[in-house]
Amino acid sequence: EPEVTQTPSHQVTQMGQEVILRCVPISNHLYFYWYRQILGQKVEFLVSFYNNEISEKSEIFDDQFSVERPDGSNFTLKIRSTKLEDSAMYFCASRGRTGEKLFFGSGTQLSVL
Amino acid sequence: RKEVEQDPGPFNVPEGATVAFNCTYSNSASQSFFWYRQDCRKEPKLLMSVYSSGNEDGRFTAQLNRASQYISLLIRDSKLSDSATYLCVVNNDFGNEKLTFGTGTRLTIIP
Repeated sequence: EPEVTQTPSHQVTQMGQEVILRCVPISNHLYFYWYRQILGQKVEFLVSFYNNEISEKSEIFDDQFSVERPDGSNFTLKIRSTKLEDSAMYFCASRGRTGEKLFFGSGTQLSVL
Repeated sequence: RKEVEQDPGPFNVPEGATVAFNCTYSNSASQSFFWYRQDCRKEPKLLMSVYSSGNEDGRFTAQLNRASQYISLLIRDSKLSDSATYLCVVNNDFGNEKLTFGTGTRLTIIP
């Protein structure tokens, strides 16, 4: 089965630092997403991205967050100035057309110290 | 009221038993419904979509009651490999796939 690839699998950073989480969606997919899961809590939608722009974002996705598809294959999530409460597992996901199955990557565990 | 509500469990069930999970959702305009499973520290994986007519996939049966805003999952003849957290998931925005997850129900199958 095709895979969404995320790197790194673990990222440790100091509070206030910038981090970039990287994702390689499935190659012919058109829609891209970031979700996050704080330890012990539910998976939460952050942002969806289509046609090189954000199509929807949640209230979690504030000005500290940004997404980019810099080269047609990677899809990145940047957190400009990390806070302790940003510590979570971040999942990238992608899908083909409307109504098709969503594929999740294996996640990046972000720890902010 | 939570958007998607599930009994967190844990459910500890002997191998071979039948187990049922329930879920309620608050948005009557929700358009599509799913059960995902999540193993510890792993990504959610789609188990099955849920249709109004009910649907079955091997040992798994899912039901949707739109009038009651209620979704269920039945697992028959449970296996050790079924141990996981089962996530009830709702899509309120078809076309945008902005999924709303429940907190999950933890299932442990006991040998």
